[in-house]
Formats: sequence, C-alpha cells, structure tokens
Amino acid sequence: DVKVTQSSRYLVKRTGEKVFLECVQDMDHENMFWYRQDPGLGLRLIYFSYDVKMKEKGDIPEGYSVSREKKERFSLILESASTNQTSMYLCASSSATLEGTDTQYFGPGTRLTVL
Amino acid sequence: GDSVTQMEGPVTLSEEAFLTINCTYTATGYPSLFWYVQYPGEGLQLLLKATKADDKGSNKGFEATYRKETTSFHLEKGSVQVSDSAVYFCALSLSGGGADGLTFGKGTHLIIQP
Repeated sequence: DVKVTQSSRYLVKRTGEKVFLECVQDMDHENMFWYRQDPGLGLRLIYFSYDVKMKEKGDIPEGYSVSREKKERFSLILESASTNQTSMYLCASSSATLEGTDTQYFGPGTRLTVL
Repeated sequence: GDSVTQMEGPVTLSEEAFLTINCTYTATGYPSLFWYVQYPGEGLQLLLKATKADDKGSNKGFEATYRKETTSFHLEKGSVQVSDSAVYFCALSLSGGGADGLTFGKGTHLIIQP
C-alpha cells in the first residue's frame, strides 16, 4: 500500500528556531513536494524535487529551504521560524512515469505552531 | 497564471441528498483535473481524476466530467452519507502531471447531517 509518512503530527516551536520537517515515502517515487495549507487559501506549493539532490521553488519558497539526500526522504527546513509560518504542512510524492506523474500521494500533515 | 475556483462553503446537506460542488479552472494548456478529499485529521486522498476532455472520473459514488468548453470539473454524488463529511479540493496539473506540482482550489467544506 502506498505510504507517505511525516515525522510529526504536531510541532510547537519558538520564533527564530531552526525547524526541520521530515517526509519519507516507500513507493520509490522520483517526485516529492512540500505544500502548506491555510484556511481560505487552500494548498500552496513551497518546493518540489524531481530527483535526489534536485530542488525547484514552488509558489511560496521564501523563508524555506529543502534537502533531498536520499530518494525516499525530503526535508523542509525553516531557517528561522516566524509566526506567519504557523500552518499545516503537507508532503506528497508521485511517480515520474508518464501515467504516474499526475497522481500525488499525501502524508497526514504536520501542524506547526510558531510562538 | 493557472488557477482553480471552487465554492468554499461550508456546504451543509441532509443524508441522502444530491451533491454538486462546482469547480472551474483557468489554464494555459490542457490540464489533468483532480478531486482530492481530506477527512478530519488526515492528509489528502485522491478521489478521482480525468486527464482529457469529456473523460469522466468516478469513485465511491462520486463523479466528475472534464468539460473543456466550460472549463469545469464539477463533483457530483447522487446520495450523500454522513461519512462523506470532509473537505474537498479541486486541482489541476499541467505538463503531464505531478513533476510541477498541483494547483489547488481553496477547498469546500462539506457537512452531512443525519
């Protein structure tokens, strides 16, 4: 069964802290994504990666960075957390095959609160 | 740029009622279209999809038809259940899909009352 896991369901951090959100998929997918979900705004793409060590900016990359050292793992990094980064963060993955790229599989999400 | 517009709700219906959630899109190319569902406390799950005009996606009693002429992908179900209560997201993807990420609507919160 397809599975995307995220390291924490809930996280509370203080302003200025460096925050790591981890995502692991077990489907051997090439593509991985980080979104944030906010009420009234839907999901917005932060960063994505189509291969190990490759990364591309999404729609709202400011204040974030990512790391993909292994195919199955994609990390989102908040270099210096701010209160406006309080949000639900969702990781997703998809296959790079022509038929598979359309469908993204999502993790359960990490609800991050920055105080 | 590309965008998806859907009714935001909340939409409240009684059990066994007919459901329609409207979704329209703007895209420069020929997108694939999706409906995702998010149950309380969970991540998003793919509900159905359609990859070209006039395709109909269906799953769990839900249906949506890709209408190129009206740039729409409305979600329908003939008889909803309490367990269908969730947030529903319409989304599109260009360039064959996921390599560039999905563009989502803002989500429609559906509440089904017994």
